[in-house]
Amino acid sequence: ETGVTQTPRHLVMGMTNKKSLKCEQHLGHNAMYWYKQSAKKPLELMFVYSLEERVENNSVPSRFSPECPNSSHLFLHLHTLQPEDSALYLCASSQVGQDGETQYFGPGTRLLVL
Amino acid sequence: AQKITQTQPGMFVQEKEAVTLDCTYDTSDPSYGLFWYKQPSSGEMIFLIYQGSYDQQNATEGRYSLNFQKARKSANLVISASQLGDSAMYFCAVDSSYKLIFGSGTRLLVRP
Repeated sequence: ETGVTQTPRHLVMGMTNKKSLKCEQHLGHNAMYWYKQSAKKPLELMFVYSLEERVENNSVPSRFSPECPNSSHLFLHLHTLQPEDSALYLCASSQVGQDGETQYFGPGTRLLVL
Repeated sequence: AQKITQTQPGMFVQEKEAVTLDCTYDTSDPSYGLFWYKQPSSGEMIFLIYQGSYDQQNATEGRYSLNFQKARKSANLVISASQLGDSAMYFCAVDSSYKLIFGSGTRLLVRP
């Protein structure tokens, strides 16, 4: 059981496709995050939204475009990806200022770029 | 810059025994939090335990406890009475403002 959901769970796309990853949190949190987890590499923070404002953009290529329409939803729009972008994309949420600001993660989207 | 080091890429433990997963960290923040997450093969990152840098006592959550040694900058995770379902990747992390900085993880395999 998780308070953070992600769809789709698996995605295969070509390099010319456009797709979007969706994350929804049901925890009443005010911050949301996108992480990338590649094989044999530590989790990499991509984007942070706090109170629906982007506060972190960790040198991510422009082919990844985040969107946070409200505090419960976070999207990652993908276009013209490269094979090296194949990875597990994890969304997380937290309540800034409370609970040690513990981040709770969704189940992830496994992305394969062909 | 914050950094997390997990020196054990993989570990075995016998079912019902205790196991310690090592984590050392480096941070210049005067106040910080330390976290452990479990990642089974399904991919989800499951929060296990949190330790605040100013907490006087070591954190415990059921079978999980955190051996926090601030002077050594270590935050080892102890899992007591290991179960087969504990087989997973385990990640240590330190927070820095909005960010969580993760270690490279330790793969734990519990033997029946």
